[in-house]
Amino acid sequence: DVKVTQSSRYLVKRTGEKVFLECVQDMDHENMFWYRQDPGLGLRLIYFSYDVKMKEKGDIPEGYSVSREKKERFSLILESASTNQTSMYLCASSSSTTYNEQFFGPGTRLTVL
Amino acid sequence: KQEVTQIPAALSVPEGENLVLNCSFTDSAIYNLQWFRQDPGKGLTSLLLIQSSQREQTSGRLNASLDKSSGRSTLYIAASQPGDSATYLCAAQPYNTDKLIFGTGTRLQVFP
Repeated sequence: DVKVTQSSRYLVKRTGEKVFLECVQDMDHENMFWYRQDPGLGLRLIYFSYDVKMKEKGDIPEGYSVSREKKERFSLILESASTNQTSMYLCASSSSTTYNEQFFGPGTRLTVL
Repeated sequence: KQEVTQIPAALSVPEGENLVLNCSFTDSAIYNLQWFRQDPGKGLTSLLLIQSSQREQTSGRLNASLDKSSGRSTLYIAASQPGDSATYLCAAQPYNTDKLIFGTGTRLQVFP
C-alpha cells in the first residue's frame, strides 16, 4: 500500500512564526503536491514538485515556499504565519507509471492564532 | 481553463438505495479522471481512476463511468450503507500536466 505521512495531525502556531509542514511518501513517486482545503473553496493547489529540487507554483503560492531535497520528502514552509493561513493542509504524491493516481496523506489541521 | 462541477452538493438517502453521483468537466482533453472519498477531518482516499481510453472501472459496490465526449463521469454506489457516508470528490487530470482539477464534492449521508 502507498503510504503518505504528514508530520502532524494538528498544529497551533502564533502569527509571525515560521512553520514547517513535512510530508513523506514511501512509493518512490516523482510527483508531490501540497494543497489547502477550506470550507466552500474546495482543494486548492499551493505548490507541486515533479523531481528532487524541482518545484512549480500552484494556484495560491503567496505566503508559502517549499523544499524537496530528497525524493521521498516534500516540505511546505510558511515563512511568517498569518491567521488567514489557518486551514487543513493536505499532501499527495503520484507517479506517471501508475497513471498519476494521487495518494493523499491524513492532513494537518493548522491553526494560526 | 478546465472546470469540474459536482451536483448535487449534498445527498441524503436511506440505507440500501442504489445511488449515482455526478461529475462534469468543461474540457474533454483529459488524461484521466479520479474519484476520492473524504471522511470528516481526514485526508482523501482514492477510490477509482479511469484512464481516458477507458469507459468504466469497478471496485466492489462502486462503479465509475467516463464519457469524455459529453464531459461527464458518474460514480454508482450499489446497496448503500451508513458507512458510505462521506464527501465524494472527483478530479480531472488535463493533458500536459500532472496536476488535478478538483470538483467541490458531494456530501453523502446514508441513514439506517
